[in-house]
Amino acid sequence: DTAVSQTPKYLVTQMGNDKSIKCEQNLGHDTMYWYKQDSKKFLKIMFSYNNKELIINETVPNRFSPKSPDKAHLNLHINSLELGDSAVYFCASSPFDRGENSPLHFGNGTRLTVT
Amino acid sequence: KNQVEQSPQSLIILEGKNCTLQCNYTVSPFSNLRWYKQDTGRGPVSLTIMTFSENTKSNGRYTATLDADTKQSSLHITASQLSDSASYICVVSRGSNYKLTFGKGTLLTVNP
Repeated sequence: DTAVSQTPKYLVTQMGNDKSIKCEQNLGHDTMYWYKQDSKKFLKIMFSYNNKELIINETVPNRFSPKSPDKAHLNLHINSLELGDSAVYFCASSPFDRGENSPLHFGNGTRLTVT
Repeated sequence: KNQVEQSPQSLIILEGKNCTLQCNYTVSPFSNLRWYKQDTGRGPVSLTIMTFSENTKSNGRYTATLDADTKQSSLHITASQLSDSASYICVVSRGSNYKLTFGKGTLLTVNP
C-alpha cells in the first residue's frame, strides 16, 4: 500500500536508448512532480503537473517528456539517453487544496545508469 | 542566489546521544522551511514544516527551530536510535511546492 510508487527501482541502459519511468500515487493528491537527484545529492524539480496539466517545466532538455494519463499517474519518458542523465529520479505528490504548506510525498526513486 | 547550506556534511554519534544539525539559507521570498529525512535508497520523508511565525516545532524526538531574522534553522534529535541513521535535508519554500530550494543534506550515522 505504498503511497507513491515508482517503477522500475533500477534502470541500466546504453546511450541513445529511450526509456520510461512510471509513477503512481494513491493519496488522492492533485499535484505530482518529477525531481532529479544528481551525484551531488541536490534535489531539483523537473516537472510539475496539477490535475493532468503541466504547471511547471524547469530547464529540462526536451528529450524528457512527462505524461499524465490521469491525476494519479505521472510517467517520465526519456529519449536518446546521455551519460549525464545518470541520476536518481524521484516522483512526488502533494495536495493542491492545502496550499503551500502541504508536504511533498516522495516515491523511493529510480536509479538510472546510462553506460 | 537562492541557496540552502547545511552543516555538518556528515556526523557520527553513538546510540542514545543527542545531536543538532544546522541549516542556513539565503532564499527570498521566504514562505516556509521544511526538514526531510531520507533513508538510504528511499525517498525523503517530511519531518516538519515551519512558517515565518513559528520558531519551534516538534515531531517525536525531532525538534526543529527557526530564526527567520538570521535565516537559520536547526534540527535537534534527542536520544538517537540506530534507525535515525539517514540523510537530513533542509528545504526552503519561496511560496509554493514548485519553488523549493533543497540543501545537500547532513548524513547522520548512529552507531551502537
